[in-house]
Amino acid sequence: QVQLVQSGAEEKKPGASVKVSCKASGYTFTRHAIHWVRQAPGQRLEWMGWINTGDGNTKCSQNLQGRVTITRDTSANTAYMELSSLRSEDTSMYYCTCSVAGLDAFDFWGQGTMVTVSS
Amino acid sequence: SYELIQPPSVSGSPGQTASITCSGDKLGDKYASWYQQKPGQSPVLVIYQDNKRPSGIPERFSGSNSGNTATLTISGTQAVDEADYYCQAWDSSTVVFGGGTRLTVL
Repeated sequence: QVQLVQSGAEEKKPGASVKVSCKASGYTFTRHAIHWVRQAPGQRLEWMGWINTGDGNTKCSQNLQGRVTITRDTSANTAYMELSSLRSEDTSMYYCTCSVAGLDAFDFWGQGTMVTVSS
Repeated sequence: SYELIQPPSVSGSPGQTASITCSGDKLGDKYASWYQQKPGQSPVLVIYQDNKRPSGIPERFSGSNSGNTATLTISGTQAVDEADYYCQAWDSSTVVFGGGTRLTVL
């Protein structure tokens, strides 16, 4: 069965960077893009960007002002999201998600990774 | 940038029909999807391509999309349906989510 398993919770200081991983299983990793979505406590879902796991091309939200980098390791079936210059406003649950069944929608989600930014 | 607007909250009684709207410029020209999110859980897809249900989603969930508005309808609302609901669409290779609507089943 399809699974997206994310790395554990992180606590970071302002100005630092964080890298979250998302390991995929149960399907051919390079056939389906992986997206990253975050959600601040009590707030809406915010799309961050996506990676074409086949060729590595990415597209990221302009709202993040170039602070996000999305990569993948095809040998490990894992995608990564790195966010730099962290601020307290980046405190959020971070999710990876994908569309495996070709539904033009996100049918599988990771369990989420809580990132807390605090001095 | 493209925006999707949802009402912050909707309430309904058990057994009644609840409708949640999502508005965006020419949204009817795009596919709309809907996600259910319960506290402490990851979102779950309940409607895709405007009106299709993934396997395992109850028939009481339905959707429509025309003009500038997509609508999620829950017929015969149950207590278990109490959750936040988000609409989502694609715009110029980016993904947009609505602000979310909290459905309260009274």
